[in-house]
Amino acid sequence: NAGVTQTPKFQVLKTGQSMTLQCAQDMNHNSMYWYRQDPGMGLRLIYYSASEGTTDKGEVPNGYNVSRLNKREFSLRLESAAPSQTSVYFCASSGVITGGVNTGELFFGEGSRLTVL
Amino acid sequence: QKEVEQNSGPLSVPEGAIASLNCTYSDRGSQSFFWYRQYSGKSPELIMFIYSNGDKEDGRFTAQLNKASQYVSLLIRDSQPSDSATYLCAVNLHNAGNMLTFGGGTRLMVKP
Repeated sequence: NAGVTQTPKFQVLKTGQSMTLQCAQDMNHNSMYWYRQDPGMGLRLIYYSASEGTTDKGEVPNGYNVSRLNKREFSLRLESAAPSQTSVYFCASSGVITGGVNTGELFFGEGSRLTVL
Repeated sequence: QKEVEQNSGPLSVPEGAIASLNCTYSDRGSQSFFWYRQYSGKSPELIMFIYSNGDKEDGRFTAQLNKASQYVSLLIRDSQPSDSATYLCAVNLHNAGNMLTFGGGTRLMVKP
């Protein structure tokens, strides 16, 4: 069971460069999320997609864009990276799991550690 | 005031003791509450969720919810060194759909 897969796991960028973080889930979940995690800050929501074809801003959307490519995939793009975007990024999904129950639980990918110099 | 607050710790307990982790939230209409455990360098993993006032037990873990006082706690009985991790409280705020808002996490250290 792959669950939630995100790539790359590590990336170093220079200020001003762009990149896309990829995320895919194989649990047939409707909802997908991008969080960032900084020391002492917990997880902060960047963008989410409640269902295929919809995306909405979270708590810290500035400097990011997202694409919900299909039900499985949700990508996060940094158009012009800044040092303040150095962080660990987590993709997550939620939805009805086998057995028909939606507990609201988030299933997380392994994280992508991004450093912007 | 942050929407979900936790003491950052570290909370240090001896092996075999009860560890008590607390979380308060600001939105009185919040519906569901989650505790995640995160080991250093790893992704969060769900320990428990609770929807109703009172206690919910699962093995060595007990979640306690008091909506009137707007707090949720996690008790870990017979703490083990392997329980050493950061514990994240997450709340589904009112009118937030499926989104969860996380606290900053409490670092727990269980000493042998």
